[in-house]
Amino acid sequence: EAQVTQNPRYLITVTGKKLTVTCSQNMNHEYMSWYRQDPGLGLRQIYYSMNVEVTDKGDVPEGYKVSRKEKRNFPLILESPSPNQTSLYFCASRSNDRTYGYTFGSGTRLTVV
Amino acid sequence: GNSVTQMEGPVTLSEEAFLTINCTYTATGYPSLFWYVQYPGEGLQLLLKATKADDKGSNKGFEATYRKETTSFHLEKGSVQVSDSAVYFCALSSGGYQKVTFGTGTKLQVIP
Repeated sequence: EAQVTQNPRYLITVTGKKLTVTCSQNMNHEYMSWYRQDPGLGLRQIYYSMNVEVTDKGDVPEGYKVSRKEKRNFPLILESPSPNQTSLYFCASRSNDRTYGYTFGSGTRLTVV
Repeated sequence: GNSVTQMEGPVTLSEEAFLTINCTYTATGYPSLFWYVQYPGEGLQLLLKATKADDKGSNKGFEATYRKETTSFHLEKGSVQVSDSAVYFCALSSGGYQKVTFGTGTKLQVIP
């Protein structure tokens, strides 16, 4: 089954404790992206990657890091989480053809206390 | 820059009512347009798309027509069901980096 898999689904952590949210896709997609969803703000792009070793900032990259060492994986790293990073996070992938839509993961609900 | 404006929600309808969710956009060039649906506790799913002017996207009884003259992509369904209750996002893809811009979402609640 074609899918984007995110882990974990739920995470509660403390301020400053480094964490990684994993994302993996099995569709051989070149393009992958991370979004955060907050009430009233819709989806905002954090980082994206157009292919292996090619990443760039989205609209809200501060406090986040990403890497793309393999085509299928695109982890999101919070090196020193803060409470304002409490949010619902989605990983998504698609082919580089912009006429194709995204396939989204099921989301990771992160709470930073 | 690019932007997508959706009607404010929530929208509450009775079962079998007609649905319209308005979406207008601002973009350079010739964007592709999408509607995504998010059911409670799930990720977004692509509902339909249109890639050029006057194209009509359709899926599961939902339709939307790419209107370049009015820069709109309104979502319609002739008869909604309780199972259509979800949040609907309008989005566009445009530009050299193929950036996707989302609207803020419209929550639809269908009551029996």
